[in-house]
Amino acid sequence: QVQLVQSGSELKKPGASVKISCKASGYSFTNYAMTWVRQAPGQGLEWMGWVNTNAGNPTYAPDFTGRFVFSFDTSVRTAYLHINSLQAEDGAVYYCARDIARYGSGTVDYWGQGTLVTVAS
Amino acid sequence: QSALTQPASVSGSPGQSITISCTGTSSDVGRYNYVSWYQQHPGKAPKLLIYDVSNRPSGVSNRFSGSKSGNTASLTISGLQAEDEADYYCSSYTSSNTLVFGTGTKVTVL
Repeated sequence: QVQLVQSGSELKKPGASVKISCKASGYSFTNYAMTWVRQAPGQGLEWMGWVNTNAGNPTYAPDFTGRFVFSFDTSVRTAYLHINSLQAEDGAVYYCARDIARYGSGTVDYWGQGTLVTVAS
Repeated sequence: QSALTQPASVSGSPGQSITISCTGTSSDVGRYNYVSWYQQHPGKAPKLLIYDVSNRPSGVSNRFSGSKSGNTASLTISGLQAEDEADYYCSSYTSSNTLVFGTGTKVTVL
């Protein structure tokens, strides 16, 4: 069955970087785009962007350009979210989610369990 | 891209039907039939309920149905059950080739 397993919670200081992993299983990794979604404490879902895991071209939402980077490694069927120069407002749960198409179609059908990032000095 | 507008909360008694609206613009909801709905219980990841306006994935109860008229999409939950108490989010593909989520609706079963 399709599974997305994310890395564990992170506690980071302001200015540091973090790398969240999302390991996929149960399907052909390069046949589906991967979407990233942020959820701040007590808030709604924010679309961060998606990456075509076959062609490699990422698309970022306007609020997530610059410090946020999507990458992936097909050999280990894993997608990554890098966040640089962490700020307090980056503290949130980050989800990876599989798109139903190879490109970003807008529909995601399977979600990871979420990774909590806490930014505090 | 502004979030799609949903009511903050909707409530109903067990067995009743409720409808959650999701209002966008002619650049997203009104332009594409790529509207999805997700259910999220506290502390859990969202779950896909409806895609392409009105399609249900395998395994999703037929008590959940979706529709769209103009710039507004709707999710109806019929035969409301205690387990339906959760947050619900809509999403839509946009003319900028991006995705936008709704503001979210908390459903309370009275």
